[in-house]
Amino acid sequence: ETGVTQTPRHLVMGMTNKKSLKCEQHLGHNAMYWYKQSAKKPLELMFVYSLEERVENNSVPSRFSPECPNSSHLFLHLHTLQPEDSALYLCASSQYDYNEQFFGPGTRLTVL
Amino acid sequence: RKEVEQDPGPFNVPEGATVAFNCTYSNSASQSFFWYRQDCRKEPKLLMSVYSSGNEDGRFTAQLNRASQYISLLIRDSKLSDSATYLCVVTTSTGNQFYFGTGTSLTVIP
Repeated sequence: ETGVTQTPRHLVMGMTNKKSLKCEQHLGHNAMYWYKQSAKKPLELMFVYSLEERVENNSVPSRFSPECPNSSHLFLHLHTLQPEDSALYLCASSQYDYNEQFFGPGTRLTVL
Repeated sequence: RKEVEQDPGPFNVPEGATVAFNCTYSNSASQSFFWYRQDCRKEPKLLMSVYSSGNEDGRFTAQLNRASQYISLLIRDSKLSDSATYLCVVTTSTGNQFYFGTGTSLTVIP
């Protein structure tokens, strides 16, 4: 399935590096989301964009910086991360207002 | 109190068995409800939405009890391919917050 794609699939970075995660949706949806999934914990919603405007930021540290240039693309810019930021980062999209979300395959991030 | 709570399991059941999962939610104003399935090291995928009147899709039946604030998922005639983690998802009345449970692990044994 190629409805929501994410790159890269795997990323290893040092704490001083700057990197970006990319998400693209081909479903014509108007909302996009970033989630973090750590072992033994539920998915944590990080950011919500609706019609390219950020509508939710769940107290995410500033070392994570989202960007939504258009309704099909979503980025997560990373800088000076900590080892505890190592996790699976999932992108999702939906038609806004209560509708089910479709997830990308995720980027597995390891911070050394 | 957590927004969504699920029994993490694991549930180990033989092929052909019937298994049921429950999920409770804390916000009485919650708007929409879903069950997702997540295979090991894969992304969550929508299994089914949960409607007030209850709904069925083949071997899967989902029900919502607003009075007691829980949703349930029943799987009949379990298959080996049903082995996965099942995630309960609840949205708020504003529609922009999706709360996921920690998931219930199911293993169907031959």
